[in-house]
Amino acid sequence: AQSVTQLDSHVSVSEGTPVLLRCNYSSSYSPSLFWYVQHPNKGLQLLLKYTSAATLVKGINGFEAEFKKSETSFHLTKPSAHMSDAAEYFCVVWGTYKYIFGTGTRLKVLA
Amino acid sequence: DTGVSQNPRHKITKRGQNVTFRCDPISEHNRLYWYRQTLGQGPEFLTYFQNEAQLEKSRLLSDRFSAERPKGSFSTLEIQRTEQGDSAMYLCASSTRAGGDLQETQYFGPGTRLLVL
Repeated sequence: AQSVTQLDSHVSVSEGTPVLLRCNYSSSYSPSLFWYVQHPNKGLQLLLKYTSAATLVKGINGFEAEFKKSETSFHLTKPSAHMSDAAEYFCVVWGTYKYIFGTGTRLKVLA
Repeated sequence: DTGVSQNPRHKITKRGQNVTFRCDPISEHNRLYWYRQTLGQGPEFLTYFQNEAQLEKSRLLSDRFSAERPKGSFSTLEIQRTEQGDSAMYLCASSTRAGGDLQETQYFGPGTRLLVL
């Protein structure tokens, strides 16, 4: 069965510093993985997805993620945090006709 | 393309009442999903439609829950005899399998927040 584990429930960074949100996955076959962001009172928005093409995936708003099979990880990074990045982030694995979500990481950006 | 819409956005009800939520997917998306998100958790899959056919249901979907997609367009999710444990955000998503894309991207609506008193 497929699953994802988000290793941090809360992450705080200062504006302008790098962001790292960690996600490990478990899958019995080559997974498809996604990162979504959820701003308050807004729907989930796709940041990026990995579907067995390039292992380094670039997404919107300067985010990227690297698929590492040896570490079963799919961590989300951004070189420089902006105040508007403050939100809840979800790592997701495709589980045959449905998404399987992690528990989320709340990102706080300090001025 | 106006995105996925859900109505109402908020619903407060008393325990034991019935509630119904509506989801309008992106036009020409043939797949529609319902998820439930409780506080501090990620969304959990409830059910899935391809066109008007309901193809999969989670064990989370007790017999008090029913979902329909009568003409393969909008969908409704009804909860009968609501319980306080039903309080959650109910999310709808739609998708279409693009040619050659083995795992489609789901587009989410803003959700309906239910509070059962």
